[in-house]
Formats: sequence, C-alpha cells, structure tokens
Amino acid sequence: GQNIDQPTEMTATEGAIVQINCTYQTSGFNGLFWYQQHAGEAPTFLSYNVLDGLEEKGRFSSFLSRSKGYSYLLLKELQMKDSASYLCAVMSDYKLSFGAGTTVTVRA
Amino acid sequence: DTAVSQTPKYLVTQMGNDKSIKCEQNLGHDTMYWYKQDSKKFLKIMFSYNNKELIINETVPNRFSPKSPDKAHLNLHINSLELGDSAVYFCASSQDRIYGYTFGSGTRLTVV
Repeated sequence: GQNIDQPTEMTATEGAIVQINCTYQTSGFNGLFWYQQHAGEAPTFLSYNVLDGLEEKGRFSSFLSRSKGYSYLLLKELQMKDSASYLCAVMSDYKLSFGAGTTVTVRA
Repeated sequence: DTAVSQTPKYLVTQMGNDKSIKCEQNLGHDTMYWYKQDSKKFLKIMFSYNNKELIINETVPNRFSPKSPDKAHLNLHINSLELGDSAVYFCASSQDRIYGYTFGSGTRLTVV
C-alpha cells in the first residue's frame, strides 16, 4: 500500500503564493498527480509528474523528487476561486491512491 | 457533453435496502473505477474494470457488487445497506491505466 501525507489545512491571502507539500512511500511508482476538488464537486486533474523536476502550468506548478518521496504543488497569484481541497495522488501498480487532501482557504 | 456521468446524484434510503448507482463514460477509455469518499474527504478505491474485466477489488464488503456490461459502463449495486455506507461515491475512467483519471460528479448516498 501507500502512505501519502499532506497538511490538512492552509490559509493564504489573495495574490499570495502557497506551497502544498506531499510525502509518500510506495513501490512500483508510475507517477504522481495533483487534483483540485471544490466542495460538493468532482476532483479535477491539475498536474502529473513522473520524472524528477518542476512542471509548470500557468499559475500552478508541481515538483517531484522520487528519491525523497516528495512532491509539492505551488499555487501563485492566489484567487478566491482557488479555495478548494488539493489532493496528492500516487499511481502505483496501476492503482491511483489519494492522500487525505489539503483544504486551502484564500482570504481577501 | 458530459464525459463521465453518474446517476443518481443524490440517494437517500433506509437501512437494509438494496440500491444501484450507474456510471457511463463517453471518452472511449478502457478502464473504469469506483471510489468512495467518506465524511473526512478521504478518497479510497473500491473496484476497477479494464475492458469489462475486474482488475482491482479492494477490501470491500461483498454487499458491494460492481457490474460492467461493456467498457463504457460500470454500475455499482449495494445490498443490505448500512449506516456506514453513507458517503459520496465517485466513478472515474482512464486510458491505459497510467494516465490521470476523469471523475464523474459523484453520488451522495445517505442511509437512514
């Protein structure tokens, strides 16, 4: 199985930057995903890392270090609509397992 | 066009009843999944089908039985519902099992 750890909650101000860390322990690593989930809605895909390094997609970036079992999601220029839960997920043996999610609250 | 659609969106039922949730995807994906999200928002995989074949069956009570009539559909039947079955159930699909999943909008099941 996988152990996936991420902080429970984070709060930041509109326009600021927030970094959500995720650590994992797994075998048969096939990739790491970040999903965004607004309250009462489905998770939606944000990013995918399979090699070490930084992947940038507009205001969102994701980093992976496979040797450290570590990833982070960086959200820049925060907007009120970014208030949501962010889920770190690890693909292992063709199965996607999720962390408990980090609830990000953006304040004006 | 909805990529992954689930019905019903809400389901309220009494303990002991049997109910089904339906899922359909029009993405042409070959793998479909059922996930359960509990009150603590933890998403846990239950089942996965690849081209109508069961490939993942986590430790789930055998009151839960998935059925895949074709690769575009994956239904979930639950017998003898219990209070602890109350949760949001998400259907998802993916291509080739290693790419990101597309989730349906969820079915909120409440057992009273």
